[in-house]
Amino acid sequence: ETGVTQTPRHLVMGMTNKKSLKCEQHLGHNAMYWYKQSAKKPLELMFVYNFKEQTENNSVPSRFSPECPNSSHLFLHLHTLQPEDSALYLCASSQARGGQETQYFGPGTRLLVL
Amino acid sequence: GQNIDQPTEMTATEGAIVQINCTYQTSGFNGLFWYQQHAGEAPTFLSYNVLDGLEEKGRFSSFLSRSKGYSYLLLKELQMKDSASYLCAAMDSNYQLIWGAGTKLIIKP
Repeated sequence: ETGVTQTPRHLVMGMTNKKSLKCEQHLGHNAMYWYKQSAKKPLELMFVYNFKEQTENNSVPSRFSPECPNSSHLFLHLHTLQPEDSALYLCASSQARGGQETQYFGPGTRLLVL
Repeated sequence: GQNIDQPTEMTATEGAIVQINCTYQTSGFNGLFWYQQHAGEAPTFLSYNVLDGLEEKGRFSSFLSRSKGYSYLLLKELQMKDSASYLCAAMDSNYQLIWGAGTKLIIKP
């Protein structure tokens, strides 16, 4: 496996379900990100982990809960979601060094909340 | 506040040249990124500019003017596979990316 991988690629869940999204990066990076992408809107940064420590939250609702067990893996735990949470959830990684920090993205998880 | 503006949609002809503009307002500035995103796929990195001027990379070039808060992506010899969304993102003083909504580029034969 190379680059950034995400599973599952597609997910349909009811508002009372609990599910988790998984991201893994094989680039040796030290920072990982969760973004939400809705149609015709800018990417919304949800969470940032730098050296496994969460550094940004951006006022994300508590029904989204991130977990970063190590610098290669990132999870997004979902519970009691709302239909407006339906979107593409993208994971990215970068080598944080205070300069050009190019982010590399996974293919995303397309989430539909019914 | 911080803001990125780029056109919602553009149409161009195969073999032609197209310029996608982006203006930005950020708290501090640490560079301007362009990404390409095909429908249903991940955004992929195209270019990074932090100094004024033009950076050329094959058929794609990117330009930056820091004093004007302006960048453009220039695509030459357009191919059908260039049909995609092009995302402009500026990095602020905290090294956070501020994203535009993307420009959907439609290439016609």
